[in-house]
Amino acid sequence: KQEVTQIPAALSVPEGENLVLNCSFTDSAIYNLQWFRQDPGKGLTSLLLIQSSQREQTSGRLNASLDKSSGRSTLYIAASQPGDSATYLCAVDNYGQNFVFGPGTRLSVLP
Amino acid sequence: EPEVTQTPSHQVTQMGQEVILRCVPISNHLYFYWYRQILGQKVEFLVSFYNNEISEKSEIFDDQFSVERPDGSNFTLKIRSTKLEDSAMYFCASTLLSGQAYYGYTFGSGTRLTVV
Repeated sequence: KQEVTQIPAALSVPEGENLVLNCSFTDSAIYNLQWFRQDPGKGLTSLLLIQSSQREQTSGRLNASLDKSSGRSTLYIAASQPGDSATYLCAVDNYGQNFVFGPGTRLSVLP
Repeated sequence: EPEVTQTPSHQVTQMGQEVILRCVPISNHLYFYWYRQILGQKVEFLVSFYNNEISEKSEIFDDQFSVERPDGSNFTLKIRSTKLEDSAMYFCASTLLSGQAYYGYTFGSGTRLTVV
């Protein structure tokens, strides 16, 4: 059974810092991995999708990498801003059947 | 950009009542999903739906739950005889392809269900 974990559970940084969020999964037989952002009480906004054949994806200040063999993904946020404050979730596509989500990392970027 | 639309955004119901949560997936998507998130917990898979039938369901999705695609655009989740522990945010999602899901999943903004 696929298990997804994320560390740290919470992170507080001053504005402008670069930061890394980590995601680990136990079963490397995945089709893809997707990073989401969730604001309090709100829905899930897709940030980046990495297919299993890819190693990384970039969008603006965000860069996500995937090492399928070791069951790891990282989300790198450059030059963090207070507007980046949210919970970041990673989810793995378990061979197209359903997504398995991690518990999330709650990020606070202080002005 | 196409969106998955969910209604209502918030529903309050009395314990024992039936509720129907509604979703309009992206029009050319073929695979549809319901997930839920109990406050402070992980997002959990409930059910996937393809070609007018359930393709997979989790242990959570018992006889209390049902899904339907009553027409070409709506996708509904019915919860019968609601319990306090059904209080959660319910998310609908859709994707064009499954397996090699190049486009990823698009989630709706959720329906917050409160059972009192």
